[in-house]
Parts: sequence; structure tokens; C-alpha cells
Amino acid sequence: DAKTTQPPSMDCAEGRAANLPCNHSTISGNEYVYWYRQIHSQGPQYIIHGLKNNETNEMASLIITEDRKSSTLILPHATLRDTAVYYCIVRIPSSNTGKLIFGQGTTLQVKP
Amino acid sequence: DAGVIQSPRHEVTEMGQEVTLRCKPISGHNSLFWYRQTMMRGLELLIYFNNNVPIDDSGMPEDRFSAKMPNASFSTLKIQPSEPRDSAVYFCASRYSSGTEAFFGQGTRLTVV
Repeated sequence: DAKTTQPPSMDCAEGRAANLPCNHSTISGNEYVYWYRQIHSQGPQYIIHGLKNNETNEMASLIITEDRKSSTLILPHATLRDTAVYYCIVRIPSSNTGKLIFGQGTTLQVKP
Repeated sequence: DAGVIQSPRHEVTEMGQEVTLRCKPISGHNSLFWYRQTMMRGLELLIYFNNNVPIDDSGMPEDRFSAKMPNASFSTLKIQPSEPRDSAVYFCASRYSSGTEAFFGQGTRLTVV
């Protein structure tokens, strides 16, 4: 699976959009970009995933660059409950031997 | 569905004792993962099962650690003998093997004194 690079920490004001970047310059053509988050003392939680088109669900939006070497997770209106560690992972979804490997992630602190 | 269920939620044991952590995956899921999380090393994948068969155990730290999945609805992670450096939060996760998202349990916080 391709390696990802994320900033270690970010701050965001409550109610504003939180934009979390991820670099994955070695991504291959059949690898998807996944985002998970981990709120303190809980297990990681799936947020969203995509291949090359932008994706949106009830939690967030995922913007993937045209060359697919980077992506941005957008929380449109961050709340205090969005304070968490956000992990960007690149992998092949249908692989029966696919491991889910977490990096260090980005610690997002949403401030009032 | 109640989600991935782990037990116990907290475990305190003395060095040298055997520790068994338990996991019940979501019904119908056929992939199961065990992770360990510490401040120093983050979230580490220990072992991965597919259809009850261990596929990759390269993350298991040493022979003191063993994991089993006797059936599709139950898995154990055993540490024998336990050491203080094994203190961590251990997470279990499950997913459909051809699916996309993994669901995590609430974790077991292990303290070895």
C-alpha cells in the first residue's frame, strides 16, 4: 500500500470548514484513498473514501487532485465533537489480503 | 447490530500472568483485525484474519503473543507471559473481505504492573 504524509496537527475554529490535507505521491492506479478518524478513547471510525472523483457524504467531502497524488478531507462546519485524530490511508478495497495500515494521522483541534 | 464487541474493556494484571482479550465481530463480516495502540507507536496492526484463517501475523511482536479465530463469530488475542511493555489499548475490527469500511470495537485497555 502507498505511503501517506499528513501534518501532525491542525486547529480549526468551531463552525468553520476544516481542511485536512494528505499527500500520497506513490499511489497506484487501483488504490483508493480512505479517511478514518479516532475520537479520544474510542476506536477509529470510517469517514469516507474515493478513487479519483470528489466524494461527499453526511460526514465530510473528499477532494482528490487530478493526478491523485494528494487529497483533502473537508469537514464543512466543524464542531467541538470533530476534535479527533484523522487518518488518511491508501489501499485496494477489494483485495482479500489488504491490510489497513494507519500512520500517525493529523490531530485536529476544534476550538470554540 | 451491536457492532464489534470486545471484552473486557479494562484489564489490570501482574507481570508474568496470562492475559486473554476477546472479540466478537459483526455478524457476516469475514475479515478480522487486531491492533495495538500506544502513545509511542500509534496504531499498529498485529494480525489479520480472512475467513477465520490468519493471513498476515507479521505485526505480532513476539512469541508471547498468539491469536486465534475458532469460528466466524469469535477471536482471542492471548499474551503469555505478559510484561509491562504490553500495556496498551488493543482494538479489534471487522469488515467484509470485499467491502470498504472496517468497524472497530471500543478497545481493551490493558495495564500490566
